[in-house]
Amino acid sequence: GENVEQHPSTLSVQEGDSAVIKCTYSDSASNYFPWYKQELGKGPQLIIDIRSNVGEKKDQRIAVTLNKTAKHFSLHITETQPEDSAVYFCAASGNAGKSTFGDGTTLTVKP
Amino acid sequence: GAVVSQHPSRVICKSGTSVKIECRSLDFQATTMFWYRQFPKQSLMLMATSNEGSKATYEQGVEKDKFLINHASLTLSTLTVTSAHPEDSSFYICSARDPQALSGNTIYFGEGSWLTVV
Repeated sequence: GENVEQHPSTLSVQEGDSAVIKCTYSDSASNYFPWYKQELGKGPQLIIDIRSNVGEKKDQRIAVTLNKTAKHFSLHITETQPEDSAVYFCAASGNAGKSTFGDGTTLTVKP
Repeated sequence: GAVVSQHPSRVICKSGTSVKIECRSLDFQATTMFWYRQFPKQSLMLMATSNEGSKATYEQGVEKDKFLINHASLTLSTLTVTSAHPEDSSFYICSARDPQALSGNTIYFGEGSWLTVV
């Protein structure tokens, strides 16, 4: 089955700096790569996603890049703000919709 | 955008009783829903895939007789934890796939349900 590895497990940045979280996957059939933000006590919220036919996608301060050959994808957050502090999960899924998640990254943005 | 509603958000039940959690897709029809379990400070682990009108598909190690899943309509899936024990206490989260989304198999999550078995 699919295996997703996510790094780093914790990340602390100063407000205004950029944050990068990286994930690798193993199943070449995976074609959908969402990123979720989870705040304490809540369910994961989709913040951005990318499909295997696209190399990069950007939405305001958030961007995701995908290297299908190397089977890795990354989340980039620029101009970080304290409200960006949360746990971020990457996931990989195929056409069936079943998602395999990374172990999560706890991002702390210091004011 | 698409919304998935989960209810209840928090539930406390006595050991040995059963508890039902509902997952609804509010503005799209979901032929497939997924149930996950998340322990504190851990990732989401898929428990089962809920298929409308047919039996759920359970992941290895998940007891189908303990975690009953019913997907009776295109907008509702339920997870029933039967004969609950304290070790079943966890955060249960559902997700639904929106096949009509521009992005194809975009998946949305409910807010999750905290189950505490005392």
